[in-house]
Amino acid sequence: KNQVEQSPQSLIILEGKNCTLQCNYTVSPFSNLRWYKQDTGRGPVSLTIMTFSENTKSNGRYTATLDADTKQSSLHITASQLSDSASYICVVTLPGGGYNKLIFGAGTRLAVHP
Amino acid sequence: GAVVSQHPSWVICKSGTSVKIECRSLDFQATTMFWYRQFPKQSLMLMATSNEGSKATYEQGVEKDKFLINHASLTLSTLTVTSAHPEDSSFYICSASWARGTEAFFGQGTRLTVV
Repeated sequence: KNQVEQSPQSLIILEGKNCTLQCNYTVSPFSNLRWYKQDTGRGPVSLTIMTFSENTKSNGRYTATLDADTKQSSLHITASQLSDSASYICVVTLPGGGYNKLIFGAGTRLAVHP
Repeated sequence: GAVVSQHPSWVICKSGTSVKIECRSLDFQATTMFWYRQFPKQSLMLMATSNEGSKATYEQGVEKDKFLINHASLTLSTLTVTSAHPEDSSFYICSASWARGTEAFFGQGTRLTVV
């Protein structure tokens, strides 16, 4: 069973609308939780990083939340743009800080239509 | 800053041949580089971790003799897929960091198609 599960698997929204992507994890304890944006055929780009003690982090129109009690995180995108069409990946880092201890979710594929 | 570049972006090769993929950190010295493989609609899967000047550490199930990794300098790591087969067709992504536990930055990926 994947330790990081994301939902929905895919999502279609209209330009200008808001959306929220979910990430449930079973990894515990963990060092930090990251959200990445991955455009098709490109490498992931970091959007937000939260330690277990943080419960929200914003980066422009992207706002990530973290509830360590329920082991859930969400990524909220405000006023979506066509360029937001991409896969959004939730990644949990295991304790120790070593970067090879990342646990990746399968991602949510977002399509923003005009 | 913190740019990681992969080359080539895509490559098509014949079955049985070898293919080399380069990963360069353009504006920082990468003490550690990571190689991932990503199949369509799936998560990134770590293949190996390489530290400059030492042998790579491979994840369980990854054949080290098939996927040769060299990290001879602080700005360059290479992944060579030897005797490639169609099932090796995938998206290969590297990431690089300058110190253990720090942020790592991903390259743009290399699409390998073996025909």
